[in-house]
Amino acid sequence: AQSVSQHNHHVILSEAASLELGCNYSYGGTVNLFWYVQYPGQHLQLLLKYFSGDPLVKGIKGFEAEFIKSKFSFNLRKPSVQWSDTAEYFCAVNVGPGNTGKLIFGQGTTLQVKP
Amino acid sequence: DTGVSQDPRHKITKRGQNVTFRCDPISEHNRLYWYRQTLGQGPEFLTYFQNEAQLEKSRLLSDRFSAERPKGSFSTLEIQRTEQGDSAMYLCASSSGNSPLHFGNGTRLTVT
Repeated sequence: AQSVSQHNHHVILSEAASLELGCNYSYGGTVNLFWYVQYPGQHLQLLLKYFSGDPLVKGIKGFEAEFIKSKFSFNLRKPSVQWSDTAEYFCAVNVGPGNTGKLIFGQGTTLQVKP
Repeated sequence: DTGVSQDPRHKITKRGQNVTFRCDPISEHNRLYWYRQTLGQGPEFLTYFQNEAQLEKSRLLSDRFSAERPKGSFSTLEIQRTEQGDSAMYLCASSSGNSPLHFGNGTRLTVT
């Protein structure tokens, strides 16, 4: 069965530190990849997505992610975090063509940014 | 775009009772999804509709769970004879075409 693994469950950083959150998935075929963010008290929001093309994708709020097919990875990065980035981050995968709404989520990474 | 709306935000019920949740998707979205999220985990897919047709159900959705989308607009998720293991956040999301999911704020169910 397909699965998504997020390596870090809880990350604590100081403002201006660089961020990298790991995400690996298990599926050998075509995938669509997503990072969602959930700020405290808010709903899940899309940060960025990868369907095809350039494996380095840029999202909102300065986030980017790189799809490395050979490593089955889609790590999220941000050069300099802000206190407002404190949130829970979820990596998700959609397998196969067509329905891009049926997602398999990782268990999430809680990011705490200290001012 | 008023977003995906879910009602109620919180529901506390006693074991064995039935509960029903409602989801109003973004109006132009023809696909509607239900997910469940337990503490410390990511959301898990339960079921989805394209217009009024329920096209897929997860094995997580036991016989006690039923979802409907009678007119292809809002949807309801009913849980019969609730169990403590049903305690979770129930998330609704909608989309159209290949657009990403738009999630609601969820309904938090607590079964005592």
